[in-house]
Amino acid sequence: GENVEQHPSTLSVQEGDSAVIKCTYSDSASNYFPWYKQELGKGPQLIIDIRSNVGEKKDQRIAVTLNKTAKHFSLHITETQPEDSAVYFCAARWAGNQFYFGTGTSLTVIP
Amino acid sequence: GAVVSQHPSWVICKSGTSVKIECRSLDFQATTMFWYRQFPKQSLMLMATSNEGSKATYEQGVEKDKFLINHASLTLSTLTVTSAHPEDSSFYICSAETGESPLHFGNGTRLTVT
Repeated sequence: GENVEQHPSTLSVQEGDSAVIKCTYSDSASNYFPWYKQELGKGPQLIIDIRSNVGEKKDQRIAVTLNKTAKHFSLHITETQPEDSAVYFCAARWAGNQFYFGTGTSLTVIP
Repeated sequence: GAVVSQHPSWVICKSGTSVKIECRSLDFQATTMFWYRQFPKQSLMLMATSNEGSKATYEQGVEKDKFLINHASLTLSTLTVTSAHPEDSSFYICSAETGESPLHFGNGTRLTVT
């Protein structure tokens, strides 16, 4: 099956700085890569996703890049704010299969 | 759109009793629902996949007789933890999709078994 690795496990940044979280996957058949934000005591919320036919996608302060050759994808958050503090999970799947999640990154934005 | 509602958000029960957790897709028809368990500061552990009208597929190591899953309609799936014990205490999260991605999650249920 698919194996998704996520780094770093914890990340602290100053407010206004950028944060980058990286994930690698093992199955070249994977073609869909979502990112989720989970706040304490709540379920994960989808913040951005990318499909394998696209190399980059941006939504305001959030962007995701995908390198299919190297089998890795990254989440970029610019101009971080305290409300960005949460646990972020990446995931990978190919159509009809289950989602495989990374181990999570705890992001702390220091005011 | 794409709202998944999960109830209850938290529940405390006595050892030996059963607890039912509901997961509803409010504004879309979910062909597939997934149930996850999450331990503190850990990732999501898939317990089972359920498709409407058919039996759930359980992951290895998950007791299907203990964690009963019913997916009776395209908008409702339930997880029943039978004869709960303290070691079943955890955060349970459901998710739903239409088959075209993405996956939408409920807000989870904190189960505490005393």
